[in-house]
Amino acid sequence: DAKTTQPTSMDCAEGRAANLPCNHSTISGNEYVYWYRQIHSQGPQYIIHGLKNNETNEMASLIITEDRKSSTLILPHATLRDTAVYYCIVRISNFGNEKLTFGTGTRLTIIP
Amino acid sequence: DGGITQSPKYLFRKEGQNVTLSCEQNLNHDAMYWYRQDPGQGLRLIYYSQIVNDFQKGDIAEGYSVSREKKESFPLTVTSAQKNPTAFYLCASRPPRQGANQPQHFGDGTRLSIL
Repeated sequence: DAKTTQPTSMDCAEGRAANLPCNHSTISGNEYVYWYRQIHSQGPQYIIHGLKNNETNEMASLIITEDRKSSTLILPHATLRDTAVYYCIVRISNFGNEKLTFGTGTRLTIIP
Repeated sequence: DGGITQSPKYLFRKEGQNVTLSCEQNLNHDAMYWYRQDPGQGLRLIYYSQIVNDFQKGDIAEGYSVSREKKESFPLTVTSAQKNPTAFYLCASRPPRQGANQPQHFGDGTRLSIL
């Protein structure tokens, strides 16, 4: 699976959009980008995933650059409950590759 | 509500004792997984099962055992052979085979400590 690089920490004001970047310059054509978050002492929560098109769901939007070497997770109106560690994961989706590899992620703090 | 239930939330083990962590899902997912998370670190895969009565070792299977007798259940036993069992254990599941890109969904974890 491709290696990802994320900033260690970020702050965002409550009510503003939180934009979390992820670099994955070695991504291959059949690798998906997944985003999870983990609030302290809870299990990781799936947020969104995509291959090459931008994606949006009720939680967030995922913007993937045309060359697929980076992506941005957007939380449109951040709340205090969005404070968590956010993980960007790139992996091939096939049934022989079952492992999710979480890096160190970005610690996002929402400021009141 | 559909989801993944792990129990207990906190568990204490005495030296030389086996303990079993429960994971139940009512999402009709075929694949289930066990991960271990140590403080400040990422997840490491212990075991996974793609179908009932079948399971595969992950990266750190030594000292652990699993069973998959029912689709809904994937219990993990931490045996006395696991010398450093203190960790946060996470169970996950994923939709059926036709959804190869479908994400894994996680339970809320069991925190295991040694007395």
